[in-house]
Amino acid sequence: EAGVAQSPRYKIIEKRQSVAFWCNPISGHATLYWYQQILGQGPKLLIQFQNNGVVDDSQLPKDRFSAERLKGVDSTLKIQPAKLEDSAVYLCASSYGLAGLNEQFFGPGTRLTVL
Amino acid sequence: GDSVTQMEGPVTLSEEAFLTINCTYTATGYPSLFWYVQYPGEGLQLLLKATKADDKGSNKGFEATYRKETTSFHLEKGSVQVSDSAVYFCALSDRQGAQKLVFGQGTRLTINP
Repeated sequence: EAGVAQSPRYKIIEKRQSVAFWCNPISGHATLYWYQQILGQGPKLLIQFQNNGVVDDSQLPKDRFSAERLKGVDSTLKIQPAKLEDSAVYLCASSYGLAGLNEQFFGPGTRLTVL
Repeated sequence: GDSVTQMEGPVTLSEEAFLTINCTYTATGYPSLFWYVQYPGEGLQLLLKATKADDKGSNKGFEATYRKETTSFHLEKGSVQVSDSAVYFCALSDRQGAQKLVFGQGTRLTINP
């Protein structure tokens, strides 16, 4: 079975520019997650979708970050405008159900460098 | 809020040594507990999990037991191999509400031959 796909794998931008990341979850997985992983830290959840509805976005900096999951499948995460502190790896994950009892499958991540 | 604290790294061991990576948690509910592993150049993947007190998760020779009384989920392996070199993350998920994963900061493990 195909895993979680993400693109691009790497992105370098200057501060104040915008950037978008794309994620295609495992087929049939209703729950999709976006995480931010800063170097040397564990992943931090930014937003969680159940189908195409938002379950949790409490740690998403909504003044600059936005995410959508159209038709309950693919998802995009956007940053506009980017700041230096946004440099991180952005991970997408999916699971069949909610995380409490269901394994999350992670994509390879997008490494963002903001100069 | 919920949180996970892991043993600070990096940890360096010789092949066939015994491994323990400590993990403790704080949660208001009754969480599920996980260990995820990130091998060099690869994505995060689930290593093992436990969903209730006294459960033991195991995989690839690794074990961890859910200890509610000490709020711990320490990872152990009796004899490590060079191929175990990776970053290990302890995580929890509440089983109510959004059930989101909360990760520890990760422990980098290097095994020398």
